[in-house]
Amino acid sequence: DIVMTQSPDSLAVSLGERATINCKSSQSVLYSSNNINYLAWYQQKPGQPPKLLISWASTRESGVPDRFSGSGSGTDFTLTISSLQAEDVAVYFCQQYYSSITFGQGTRLEIK
Amino acid sequence: EVQVVESGGGLVQPGGSLRLSCAASGFTFSDYAMAWVRQAPGKGLERVSAISGSAAHTYYADSVKGRFTISRDNSKNTFYLQMNSLRAEDTAVYFCAKGRAPYCSGGRCYSLDYWGQGTLVTVSS
Repeated sequence: DIVMTQSPDSLAVSLGERATINCKSSQSVLYSSNNINYLAWYQQKPGQPPKLLISWASTRESGVPDRFSGSGSGTDFTLTISSLQAEDVAVYFCQQYYSSITFGQGTRLEIK
Repeated sequence: EVQVVESGGGLVQPGGSLRLSCAASGFTFSDYAMAWVRQAPGKGLERVSAISGSAAHTYYADSVKGRFTISRDNSKNTFYLQMNSLRAEDTAVYFCAKGRAPYCSGGRCYSLDYWGQGTLVTVSS
């Protein structure tokens, strides 16, 4: 199985500042046949199910604010929130779907 | 509007059984794979089982293989997870989720674009 490792485990950022969450896969999730990364990001607020934010490493889902962006390729990926809002407090998970499906352990984002 | 709604969770003794159901609406159910993902208290996400749109292909995590059975009834837009020989470590919130594709192909799977609110399964004596 592909192991997904997120860093940091928790993060505190001031309102309006940038938040950066990293995700590293134990093997590449870039499919050479189509040059697409099979990587998604989810947001889970307390007491709620996960919500898909980004798929294919950088494609934002409909309705997701443009302050959220995904980047990276191969084994190293980043979720960036450009200007943190109070409603962004959540746990964020990455997920690979290149080979079966596995999730990262999650990163808890809080307000400083 | 796409909706997926779980039911069937509860308290069960070790060794017991439960059947979870997930009713879907708002999309052509048979065109998409469906999955059960669990989250133990304070922990991360684990895909425990999945089924292709046609029900021809199923997946089980090693932790539940031989104990859990996934199925679906496309005429009722519903899929199920039969859980037998339950253990304390199966205690978790179980989410049902819709896959973005009808099946995994050559190992390439899918993101999960709609999730239910979850149903709590507690295994305890």
